[in-house]
Amino acid sequence: DAGVIQSPRHEVTEMGQEVTLRCKPISGHNSLFWYRQTMMRGLELLIYFNNNVPIDDSGMPEDRFSAKMPNASFSTLKIQPSEPRDSAVYFCASSLGGPKTYEQYFGPGTRLTVT
Amino acid sequence: AQSVTQLDSHVSVSEGTPVLLRCNYSSSYSPSLFWYVQHPNKGLQLLLKYTSAATLVKGINGFEAEFKKSETSFHLTKPSAHMSDAAEYFCVVSDLALSNFGNEKLTFGTGTRLTIIP
Repeated sequence: DAGVIQSPRHEVTEMGQEVTLRCKPISGHNSLFWYRQTMMRGLELLIYFNNNVPIDDSGMPEDRFSAKMPNASFSTLKIQPSEPRDSAVYFCASSLGGPKTYEQYFGPGTRLTVT
Repeated sequence: AQSVTQLDSHVSVSEGTPVLLRCNYSSSYSPSLFWYVQHPNKGLQLLLKYTSAATLVKGINGFEAEFKKSETSFHLTKPSAHMSDAAEYFCVVSDLALSNFGNEKLTFGTGTRLTIIP
């Protein structure tokens, strides 16, 4: 199993530019999660999907952030326009989902630097 | 509401000595509990999980944790530390009462950085 795949692994962009992060969950998993990790705030859940439907986006910082899951094997997190305070490591995770708590499997992360 | 407290932000042990990383949780119902490990510049990897079966849970790389409801604790232990254990460790809780279909939020602790002294 290839695990959760994220791209790019590193992204450096200038303030004001659009940034798109990509995630491919583990095949057969039907829940997908986007997290952000910073030294100051630790690991924060931004949004999660179940069966491609956004279930909880209360962690999305503001309207500059948007996430989509057009199908079961692909999701994007977009920041437009980007700001220096968005610099962080963004993780995608997937799980089996459903009425029980299943463990989440994390991707390697995308390290975003906004200058 | 559920929460988790990792009592030590940083733990240092000598190679070959026991490891103890402490975690206390708060949950309104019957929790599921996890320990994840994050090596430098890597993603999070599941070490072990408790989901209301045996209270002593064994994980990968020789780690284990014991669920103690009376103490609301889920401490992580290992008998003998290895240099490769140096990493950040996260205690995580999910409340089964909330974890019905469509609500699978995990609550992460702030992490404990484990340093191994040669």
